[in-house]
Amino acid sequence: AQKVTQAQTEISVVEKEDVTLDCVYETRDTTYYLFWYKQPPSGELVFLIRRNSFDEQNEISGRYSWNFQKSTSSFNFTITASQVVDSAVYFCALSGDSGAGSYQLTFGKGTKLSVIP
Amino acid sequence: GAVVSQHPSWVICKSGTSVKIECRSLDFQATTMFWYRQFPKQSLMLMATSNEGSKATYEQGVEKDKFLINHASLTLSTLTVTSAHPEDSSFYICSALIYSGGAHNEQFFGPGTRLTVL
Repeated sequence: AQKVTQAQTEISVVEKEDVTLDCVYETRDTTYYLFWYKQPPSGELVFLIRRNSFDEQNEISGRYSWNFQKSTSSFNFTITASQVVDSAVYFCALSGDSGAGSYQLTFGKGTKLSVIP
Repeated sequence: GAVVSQHPSWVICKSGTSVKIECRSLDFQATTMFWYRQFPKQSLMLMATSNEGSKATYEQGVEKDKFLINHASLTLSTLTVTSAHPEDSSFYICSALIYSGGAHNEQFFGPGTRLTVL
């Protein structure tokens, strides 16, 4: 069974601070995919990144960066110089690749980020 | 990018009535769509996998007779909440899967439908 743990339920930071959202996953699949989504108050999920299990390179996209560590089964997300618009719930998700019925996403419980001006 | 729409975006209904929610892939065909439910301040929980032309696969604990799923075309899946009750009030989100092989398989999410049952 797959599992995604986001231990931080809520985080508050002051604008311009850096913040890291933690994600730890469990899977028996050798090939799998990790995702981060942003859910603003409107409710619509915004896709941020997808990473497959064979690519451990860290990625940076503007103020966002992701640290994938297979050795610790973690896929952490850092926002640099946070802004009020970053306030949202962030979900980490996992998808396997084990044949029929795969590609289903298992979501973590989410981390609510509040950026205070 | 691929766009998925949902209709309605919100609905209020009386207890005991049925509500139909549509999920459409606007610029691509999707043989597989997923339906999720999200209660306030909680995560998305997969309800069922909808496959075009075949019966949906429901997750454990989801009543298939209460949540009817029809995926009659490659661009449309519908979720009907039958005999809705207040505890069915939730945010329902669909997604459509694009198969490209390997890491490029991706789910595209609709904007969600907020259901309130009085």
